[in-house]
Amino acid sequence: QSVLTQPPSASGTPGQRVTISCSGSTSNIGTNAVNWYQQLPGTAPKLLIYRSNQRPSGVPDRFSGSKSGTSASLAISGLQPEDEAVYYCAAWDDTLDGRVMFGGGTKLTVL
Amino acid sequence: QVQLQESGPGLVKPSETLSLTCTVSGDSVNTYYWSWIRQPPGKGLEWIGYFYYSGGTNYNPSLKSRVTISGDTSKNQFSLTLNSLTAADTGVYYCATSGIMGPSTIESWGQGTPVTVSS
Repeated sequence: QSVLTQPPSASGTPGQRVTISCSGSTSNIGTNAVNWYQQLPGTAPKLLIYRSNQRPSGVPDRFSGSKSGTSASLAISGLQPEDEAVYYCAAWDDTLDGRVMFGGGTKLTVL
Repeated sequence: QVQLQESGPGLVKPSETLSLTCTVSGDSVNTYYWSWIRQPPGKGLEWIGYFYYSGGTNYNPSLKSRVTISGDTSKNQFSLTLNSLTAADTGVYYCATSGIMGPSTIESWGQGTPVTVSS
């Protein structure tokens, strides 16, 4: 059971804008930066957004992240078929000795 | 560009111990965070823990009593040991690394190695 809550699924048509939410608490998203990962079928996850709204080099600017309070969002504009993947949010949680928390993942379908 | 490669047995018996090794190229394990993450079949990601270059470790509380992560700077490798295995430990195991931005910002991942716990 994930401490970071994501919707299990999302969908959109090519060209559309979709958003995926990630809800946490004061011990994780409320205090620390949020990261987003994209996992294409059969592959390892890939860092998509770090520090809540920064893109690593090579990630298209169609992907953007934001954070407000204890929630975060990933937005994908100009949706493309190759964006079909599972998206995970992650953050450091300060509880006890601290740990990395992942959201349960959101399966994005491009219709 | 750092590259990570997991190695270890693909099949382990219940109650036995899993040992996996991650070989690192393009960087030194004598820097920042080196983590293990796993993914049960059809499910999401679970952080197992990390080894920090200065020798510190941090583990998922749900696995802490069964897991050890350590580094070997002479071989530029780090390893995972997980004991008292059950079927619930079946999944793909990834080794990964994080830099200055902290352990939740995982910049590079291995390709993953599948592990099945079965008699």
